[in-house]
Amino acid sequence: DAGVTQSPTHLIKTRGQQVTLRCSPKSGHDTVSWYQQALGQGPQFIFQYYEEEERQRGNFPDRFSGHQFPNYSSELNVNALLLGDSALYLCASSLGEVNQPQHFGDGTRLSIL
Amino acid sequence: DQQVKQNSPSLSVQEGRISILNCDYTNSMFDYFLWYKKYPAEGPTFLISISSIKDKNEDGRFTVFLNKSAKHLSLHIVPSQPGDSAVYFCAASKRNYGQNFVFGPGTRLSVLP
Repeated sequence: DAGVTQSPTHLIKTRGQQVTLRCSPKSGHDTVSWYQQALGQGPQFIFQYYEEEERQRGNFPDRFSGHQFPNYSSELNVNALLLGDSALYLCASSLGEVNQPQHFGDGTRLSIL
Repeated sequence: DQQVKQNSPSLSVQEGRISILNCDYTNSMFDYFLWYKKYPAEGPTFLISISSIKDKNEDGRFTVFLNKSAKHLSLHIVPSQPGDSAVYFCAASKRNYGQNFVFGPGTRLSVLP
């Protein structure tokens, strides 16, 4: 039973560029959430997708956008990259019901030069 | 404004003894709480959860206690093993706002042989 998979594992970009990160949820899960984890901090919620729509959004600018496909996989897009966007980006999947734990992938390490 | 706090950045415990990790929250709307364990270069792994209708939940060596009046929860690991050495995150969510979790900054547990 495959867990949450994310690609790529590492990525290096320069300021002003755009990036797309990908996530496949755990089998049977229909909800995908994205988090940003800066060094030494806990993950911070970016947004959540359910039924191909953004259901929840955290305190992140519009440069951060996403998409969910009919097979429940998801993409996170970040435009006009800033140095401060350097972080570990985590994808988590869950069932679209209340009080369900989220299961995380191993993340994409994004470095902005 | 940090809604979920883990005031101990690190904790060292002898193998076989009890590890107690603490977490405090400020938002009384939180009603579902989880603990995650994270090894380097891996995503967070779900350990145990508790909803606000309970004050204790056990799963093997892991027990979570919730004190709603004090807005405090703790994770007890008994007995502690060297493989438990990791960063532990406390997370909380509000039922009516979906499943976007607010994470604490984490506590690094070292279990010494």
